[in-house]
Amino acid sequence: DTAVSQTPKYLVTQMGNDKSIKCEQNLGHDTMYWYKQDSKKFLKIMFSYNNKELIINETVPNRFSPKSPDKAHLNLHINSLELGDSAVYFCASSQEGQIGGYTFGSGTRLTVV
Amino acid sequence: GENVEQHPSTLSVQEGDSAVIKCTYSDSASNYFPWYKQELGKGPQLIIDIRSNVGEKKDQRIAVTLNKTAKHFSLHITETQPEDSAVYFCAAEGAGGTSYGKLTFGQGTILTVHP
Repeated sequence: DTAVSQTPKYLVTQMGNDKSIKCEQNLGHDTMYWYKQDSKKFLKIMFSYNNKELIINETVPNRFSPKSPDKAHLNLHINSLELGDSAVYFCASSQEGQIGGYTFGSGTRLTVV
Repeated sequence: GENVEQHPSTLSVQEGDSAVIKCTYSDSASNYFPWYKQELGKGPQLIIDIRSNVGEKKDQRIAVTLNKTAKHFSLHITETQPEDSAVYFCAAEGAGGTSYGKLTFGQGTILTVHP
């Protein structure tokens, strides 16, 4: 069973569109994250949620809005997509106080044309 | 906030050689340092980690060392194999304030092991 699953795996869309990426984890973790990986492979945190509460909100355009309906899900909605939003987006989860670091999903490759 | 620097950005070795990747961090309060391996088309996977009360940790062919005074830590891979080829990331976890529990990643090292 996949521990952290993201959908879709690939997303190609036009500038100006609105799109969502979904993430679910079945590890029972209490914290979930969204990371953005650019073309140079750099991984940068965007958001983190702990038990449905926003904990980390880095300097991300407000076109990006995370939503956590429950602690097993963290979705990312992006409005008015721009070319510069093209990247791979990774969802991850962790359990506070538990050794083992983050568990990452397999990523969503977003291409804005 | 935390800043993590990773070197080298690319590393090419022959099968059987050793590979070493080094990272430095800025926040002396950080106390957890994981290493991730990312294969093509996949998400990063934890391969080894170390906490600030330990100087060295080993797991088969991989080892990590930590020098908390100098604020640097390194990944050592011995007897490299072609399947070790991947992008490797170091990271440091914040210990307090707004950095608590937040992983800051290094820039990544592309390791290529030639048969």
